[in-house]
Amino acid sequence: NAGVTQTPKFQVLKTGQSMTLQCAQDMNHEYMSWYRQDPGMGLRLIHYSVGAGITDQGEVPNGYNVSRSTTEDFPLRLLSAAPSQTSVYFCASSSRGSSTDTQYFGPGTRLTVL
Amino acid sequence: QKEVEQDPGPLSVPEGAIVSLNCTYSNSAFQYFMWYRQYSRKGPELLMYTYSSGNKEDGRFTAQVDKSSKYISLFIRDSQPSDSATYLCAMSLIYNNNDMRFGAGTRLTVKP
Repeated sequence: NAGVTQTPKFQVLKTGQSMTLQCAQDMNHEYMSWYRQDPGMGLRLIHYSVGAGITDQGEVPNGYNVSRSTTEDFPLRLLSAAPSQTSVYFCASSSRGSSTDTQYFGPGTRLTVL
Repeated sequence: QKEVEQDPGPLSVPEGAIVSLNCTYSNSAFQYFMWYRQYSRKGPELLMYTYSSGNKEDGRFTAQVDKSSKYISLFIRDSQPSDSATYLCAMSLIYNNNDMRFGAGTRLTVKP
């Protein structure tokens, strides 16, 4: 099993550009989520999905879109990048989405917006 | 005021020391308390969790929750260089991930 994979590992964007961060898992997990991690802020939930076709907003959803067409994939879209979106982005999956489940995190995407 | 406060450190200890990592929180409704470990350039991994107040032990790790003081701790006994990582506390109101709040993390270095 590859676990949770994320691409790209690094990305530099200019303000106003769009891009999609890819996330895939091969553990047949229903629950997937996107977090951003900023210095001094901890992890913050952007969007999550409890299954294919179902998504919802987390704590900091503004500026991001998601979709879940398959169980395996959960891409995160930045429609018009802003410097405030410079961060490290983590995708995670778990079997049930409960707090005490093991969440499997991907290796992260380091995004810089100039 | 942040919902979850965690001293970012860094904390440096010699091998074999007992390490104490702590978080305070403001929302008395939090029920589930988790500790994650994050190695450099990696995603976090769940170490252990506790429901409500009390202690939980897992090998060299002990998690404590004091809800009356809104204070949680993680103790690491006989610390090893392989324990060098950033430790994140997290807590949630209900039994799902959607409302989980994380601390900023404490960076720990265990020197041989």
